Amino acid sequence: AQKVTQAQTEISVVEKEDVTLDCVYETRDTTYYLFWYKQPPSGELVFLIRRNSFDEQNEISGRYSWNFQKSTSSFNFTITASQVVDSAVYFCALSSPFPYTGANSKLTFGKGITLSVRP
Amino acid sequence: NAGVTQTPKFQVLKTGQSMTLQCAQDMNHEYMSWYRQDPGMGLRLIHYSVGAGITDQGEVPNGYNVSRSTTEDFPLRLLSAAPSQTSVYFCASTRTGTDGYTFGSGTRLTVV
Repeated sequence: AQKVTQAQTEISVVEKEDVTLDCVYETRDTTYYLFWYKQPPSGELVFLIRRNSFDEQNEISGRYSWNFQKSTSSFNFTITASQVVDSAVYFCALSSPFPYTGANSKLTFGKGITLSVRP
Repeated sequence: NAGVTQTPKFQVLKTGQSMTLQCAQDMNHEYMSWYRQDPGMGLRLIHYSVGAGITDQGEVPNGYNVSRSTTEDFPLRLLSAAPSQTSVYFCASTRTGTDGYTFGSGTRLTVV
């Protein structure tokens, strides 16, 4: 069975601090995808990034960066110089194959991390 | 391009009532899913579909029914509402799964 663990439940930082959100996953599949989603106070779910199991390169997008390490089954997310607008719940998710097609299509979510950025 | 549209946005039901949450997507996505979000629980998969006519149960299917007669629509039916079904419901779709899911804006359901 697939499992995603986000051990941190709530993080509070002051604006401009760097913050890292941890994600640890479990899967027996050799091909899988990892995702991060952001849920701001308005409630919608916003896709941030996708990473496949064969690509361990770190990725940077502006103030956001992601560190994928298969050896530790982790896919951590760092926000540099945090801003108040980063306040949200962040979900890490793992895709696993549906029984019918084998495609990587069934998402398993972690419980989310509530990030509060104070001015 | 509307993406994934969920209706209604808010609903209050009495225990024992039935209702259908609507979900429609206009992206020609084969894969669609329903999730519920509860505090401290993340999002849990209720039912999913890999194409018209094909559905299956997710992690928490009890008390819910789905059908997929067209590629565009994937309604979720509550058969006899219970207070434990008070939650926020999200519908999502994806072309292949590897692209990542597109989520609807959610339906906040309260069962009293």
